[in-house]
Amino acid sequence: EVQSVESGGGLVQPGGSLRLSCVASGFTFSSYWMSWVRQAPGKGLEWVASIKEDGSEEYYVDSVKGRFAISRDNAKNSQFLQMNSLRAEDTAVYYCVRGRSNFRFWGQGTLVTVSS
Amino acid sequence: DIQMTQSPSSLSASVGDRVTITCQASQDISNYLNWYQQKPGKAPKLLIYDASNLETGVPAVFSGGGSGTDFTFTISSLQPEDTATYYCQQFVNLPRTFGQGTKVEIK
Repeated sequence: EVQSVESGGGLVQPGGSLRLSCVASGFTFSSYWMSWVRQAPGKGLEWVASIKEDGSEEYYVDSVKGRFAISRDNAKNSQFLQMNSLRAEDTAVYYCVRGRSNFRFWGQGTLVTVSS
Repeated sequence: DIQMTQSPSSLSASVGDRVTITCQASQDISNYLNWYQQKPGKAPKLLIYDASNLETGVPAVFSGGGSGTDFTFTISSLQPEDTATYYCQQFVNLPRTFGQGTKVEIK
């Protein structure tokens, strides 16, 4: 069974940092692009970032470029999202998702709240 | 960025009704379109990929169609368990973008 489990969310002050982690299982992690998609409270879905199978390519939505960094560790079946200079508008549930086009498998999400 | 516009934003229909949601892209996306279902407090679930292909395990009560800029998503016979928000998503280029969602409720 394909599973992804996110962790690392929480309450952080504006300007602060958080690192999200996602551990995946049930598939050959190193064979798939991985992505992060977020959802602000009561709002729609927003793609945040994607990383290639070997980590050699990364793509971001404009609103997080220069502040967020996606990475992965294929040996640990894990991907990460380093989030710096956090803003109130980054408040959302962050989902770890397999793929970069068809988002077929999603984690349960981790809530990030940016507030003073 | 490609804008995805869904309509309606919400709808209420009776059990057994045929329900159709439309999604319009701001430019030609061929058939690079997916549809997702999201129930409250849950992660989204892929229902339809490449505009018209039913995801494995998804009941055939759901269907999708269209190409270019105009797409449809249909529930042929609405059931109480179909209460959810439905999103379209394009993947012809980056950034991947979603429609704003259509909330489907039972009347």
